[in-house]
Amino acid sequence: ELKVEQNPLFLSMQEGKNYTIYCNYSTTSDRLYWYRQDPGKSLESLFVLLSNGAVKQEGRLMASLDTKARLSTLHITAAVHDLSATYFCAVEPSKGNEKLTFGTGTRLTIIP
Amino acid sequence: DVKVTQSSRYLVKRTGEKVFLECVQDMDHENMFWYRQDPGLGLRLIYFSYDVKMKEKGDIPEGYSVSREKKERFSLILESASTNQTSMYLCASSLPLGQGNGYTFGSGTRLTVV
Repeated sequence: ELKVEQNPLFLSMQEGKNYTIYCNYSTTSDRLYWYRQDPGKSLESLFVLLSNGAVKQEGRLMASLDTKARLSTLHITAAVHDLSATYFCAVEPSKGNEKLTFGTGTRLTIIP
Repeated sequence: DVKVTQSSRYLVKRTGEKVFLECVQDMDHENMFWYRQDPGLGLRLIYFSYDVKMKEKGDIPEGYSVSREKKERFSLILESASTNQTSMYLCASSLPLGQGNGYTFGSGTRLTVV
């Protein structure tokens, strides 16, 4: 059974600082997705990582995938308040069922 | 702009009522999913469907059923609503996995059962 662990679960950081959210998973996969959820809202797609070594960047966020280590990271550079949200990673199984397996989410709060 | 539309953003129902949550997608996606989200419990899969008239139980199907009569529409049914079904319900759709697109989510329905 595919298991996905995110850490930390909660992250409070000051504006202007850098930090990284980690997403570890338990079985082989080449595809991983990051989503953002604002309070009271639904999930929106942030990044799609489709192969080992994939790196995607948008603004102050950068995501990477290491399929050998079964690890993805979401790096935040010089955080600003509007990045406050919950971030989820989701892993696609290499074969078999059609379901993504989601991490538990990381609630990020940026403090002025 | 591609969309997954959930019919209600907020819904208040009484205990024992039969409740229908509707989800429509305009992307010709084969797969559709219903999740519920509760504080501290993450996303939990209720039911999913790979094709018209097909359905599969997720992790927490008890107290729910689904209907998929048309490809674009996936309905979640609470047969007899209870207060412990008060939650945020999220619908999602996708192409068959392997095409690198992941899920597209609807805007969510916050259901309160009183």
